[in-house]
Amino acid sequence: AQSVTQPDIHITVSEGASLELRCNYSYGATPYLFWYVQSPGQGLQLLLKYFSGDTLVQGIKGFEAEFKRSQSSFNLRKPSVHWSDAAEYFCAVGYSSASKIIFGSGTRLSIRP
Amino acid sequence: AAGVIQSPRHLIKEKRETATLKCYPIPRHDTVYWYQQGPGQDPQFLISFYEKMQSDKGSIPDRFSAQQFSDYHSELNMSSLELGDSALYFCASSNTGFGGYTFGSGTRLTVV
Repeated sequence: AQSVTQPDIHITVSEGASLELRCNYSYGATPYLFWYVQSPGQGLQLLLKYFSGDTLVQGIKGFEAEFKRSQSSFNLRKPSVHWSDAAEYFCAVGYSSASKIIFGSGTRLSIRP
Repeated sequence: AAGVIQSPRHLIKEKRETATLKCYPIPRHDTVYWYQQGPGQDPQFLISFYEKMQSDKGSIPDRFSAQQFSDYHSELNMSSLELGDSALYFCASSNTGFGGYTFGSGTRLTVV
């Protein structure tokens, strides 16, 4: 069965600092991987997705993620965070491009002024 | 670009009442999914439909039912509401050919 682990419940970084949010997945075949961001009480916005091809994926808002099969990881990165990046970030996995997706428990990002 | 439309945005119901949530997928998307997100929780998959047939089922209570209509919109019917049903309910749609997967803004259901 698919599963997603986000080991960090809450992370605080200073504005302008770099960011890396960790995500590990469990799935036997090549997974379909997603990162979503959610502001309080709001919907889920897709930051980026990986289906195949280049393992370094560029997303919106300056985010990128790297698929590492050997580590079963799909970590999200941003070189310089902005106060507006404060939100909940969810990693998710699916077994096809149109299957249900399983979410991790989320990482709450706070930004220190 | 057209997005996934959910209605209503907010809904307040009393215990034991019934609620109906609606979802209008992106045009040409053939699959609809429903998710439930409780306070401080990650979204949990409830059910999905492909070409108007149920394609997958998750942790959906027996009190809930859903269907997809000929125009591809979907409705989630929730009966005998309980306080624990208070949550954000998201609909998403995708096209099996293109692999897009887009969420709506959600319906916030509050049961009092």
